[in-house]
Amino acid sequence: AQKITQTQPGMFVQEKEAVTLDCTYDTSDPSYGLFWYKQPSSGEMIFLIYQGSYDQQNATEGRYSLNFQKARKSANLVISASQLGDSAMYFCAMVSVTTGNQFYFGTGTSLTVIP
Amino acid sequence: DVKVTQSSRYLVKRTGEKVFLECVQDMDHENMFWYRQDPGLGLRLIYFSYDVKMKEKGDIPEGYSVSREKKERFSLILESASTNQTSMYLCASSATFGTAGAGANVLTFGAGSRLTVL
Repeated sequence: AQKITQTQPGMFVQEKEAVTLDCTYDTSDPSYGLFWYKQPSSGEMIFLIYQGSYDQQNATEGRYSLNFQKARKSANLVISASQLGDSAMYFCAMVSVTTGNQFYFGTGTSLTVIP
Repeated sequence: DVKVTQSSRYLVKRTGEKVFLECVQDMDHENMFWYRQDPGLGLRLIYFSYDVKMKEKGDIPEGYSVSREKKERFSLILESASTNQTSMYLCASSATFGTAGAGANVLTFGAGSRLTVL
């Protein structure tokens, strides 16, 4: 069974500081993709970053980076230089070859950036 | 630049009414999904479709049905709305994982439809 675990229901970070949001996953597939999404209070789901299981390097997109530790089945999101606009829910998700269609989501982490 | 469009942002319906939630994507994706999101429960998959006229049940299909007559359109139907179906409904689409280049398998969401059943 595929499973995504986010163990931090809520996080606080000071503006301009870095923050790490945790995500672990469970799959027996060798080929899979990991995603992070941001959901602000408006409700829309915004794609942030993608990491493929065969990618040699950790993915980066601007202030977002994904700390991918394959052996530990961990895909933590790192946000550098936090901004007030980063306050939102963050979801980790996974899709794999055998579930080619279905995406599995964690329960999310609520991030609050403090001025 | 809108890629996944949900027909209604907010709806208010009465118990027993038939409700249609429409979703259209312009990315030629094979797969389309309907999720329900409730506080503390995360995203729960209701139904998904991997091809025209094809559908698969997700985690919580009870009380819902879907229709996909054209590749770009995926409709969610509540045959007889009930108060416990008050929720945020999110439509999404994607290419099939493993069939496209890195990043092309991103699940793209619509803006969501907030349904209130009175």
